[in-house]
Amino acid sequence: QVHLVQSGAEVKRPGASVKVSCKASGYIFTDYYIHWVRQAPGQGLELMGWIDPSRGVSNSTQKFQGRVTMTSDTSIGTAFMELRSVRSDDTAIYYCAREFEAYYYGSGISIWGQGTLISVSS
Amino acid sequence: QSVLTQPPSVSGTPGQRVIISCSGGNSDIGSNYVYWYQQLPGMAPKFLIYRNNQRPSGVPDRFSGSKSGTSASLAISGLRSEDEADYYCSAWDNSLSGWVFGGGTKLTVL
Repeated sequence: QVHLVQSGAEVKRPGASVKVSCKASGYIFTDYYIHWVRQAPGQGLELMGWIDPSRGVSNSTQKFQGRVTMTSDTSIGTAFMELRSVRSDDTAIYYCAREFEAYYYGSGISIWGQGTLISVSS
Repeated sequence: QSVLTQPPSVSGTPGQRVIISCSGGNSDIGSNYVYWYQQLPGMAPKFLIYRNNQRPSGVPDRFSGSKSGTSASLAISGLRSEDEADYYCSAWDNSLSGWVFGGGTKLTVL
């Protein structure tokens, strides 16, 4: 069975960095793009970016460029998302999510992690 | 502000049919497939509809999707209490090279 299991909730001070992990199981990790999506309290879904684990190539949306780094470690089947210089409006649930079709982006997001709550407060 | 436009809320009674609309532009819905996700309270989103009108295995045929031009819609027939959730439309945006989402529609089953 395919699963994405994320690291636990964290509380951060403004200006700090946070790194969320996403461990994949049940499929070939390098065959599918991983997306990072966040959801602020009571708000909708917002794409942060994606990574192709087979090449280590990532792309973040303009809003997060320069502040987010997405990486993957194929030896342990895990993707990571690091967000720097966090502020109060970064308080959200952060999801990793897998592409529906292998070797392709834009086919839909079929598998979601359970989400990681990141709270930013002084 | 979300790229795709959805009504904030819709409601219906058990057994009814409801429709949730989603409006976009040429670089997203107009050029690519539309996807729908269901998010139950406190849960991660669930893959509901792909490629405009296809259902992943396990999704009841009460859920159906359609697309025309730069708009799309999700229809839920035979409404049930367990359908009460937030529904999001999404499409790949060619200019952004990433997924864009609607703001979500809260479905209330009266």
